[in-house]
Amino acid sequence: KQEVTQIPAALSVPEGENLVLNCSFTDSAIYNLQWFRQDPGKGLTSLLLIQSSQREQTSGRLNASLDKSSGRSTLYIAASQPGDSATYLCAVVGNTPLVFGKGTRLSVIA
Amino acid sequence: DTGVSQDPRHKITKRGQNVTFRCDPISEHNRLYWYRQTLGQGPEFLTYFQNEAQLEKSRLLSDRFSAERPKGSFSTLEIQRTEQGDSAMYLCASSSPRRGYTFGSGTRLTVV
Repeated sequence: KQEVTQIPAALSVPEGENLVLNCSFTDSAIYNLQWFRQDPGKGLTSLLLIQSSQREQTSGRLNASLDKSSGRSTLYIAASQPGDSATYLCAVVGNTPLVFGKGTRLSVIA
Repeated sequence: DTGVSQDPRHKITKRGQNVTFRCDPISEHNRLYWYRQTLGQGPEFLTYFQNEAQLEKSRLLSDRFSAERPKGSFSTLEIQRTEQGDSAMYLCASSSPRRGYTFGSGTRLTVV
């Protein structure tokens, strides 16, 4: 059974810092990995999709990497802003529909 | 592309009542998913459809839950005889190989 773990569970940083969120998964037989952002009480917004054949994807200040063999992904956020405060969720698709971690709750302090 | 739409956004119901939620996926996506999310947890898979066929159901989907997708377009999720433990955010998504999963804004259910 696929399990996804995200570390840390919560993170508080001052504005302007670069930061890394970590995601690990137990079954490396995945088709793709997706990072989402969720604001309190809202739905999920897709940030980045990495296909299993890819090693990284970039969008603006966000960069996500994938190491399928070791079962790890990282989400790098450059020059963090207060508007980045949200919960970030990692999820993988393999032989089952999307399986999520519990998320990392990020607070960026102005 | 109007995204995934869910209705209603919020629902408050008394214990024992039935509720029904609706999801309209992105039109060209043939796969549609339902997830449930409780506070502090990641979304948990409930069920999914490919076109009108319901292909997989989670153990979380008790006999009180039923989902349909007539004609492979919109989907409904019905909960019968609601219990306080059913209080959660119910999320719908559709997917494509190129874009991955796209989620709606969710329906927040409160059972009092």
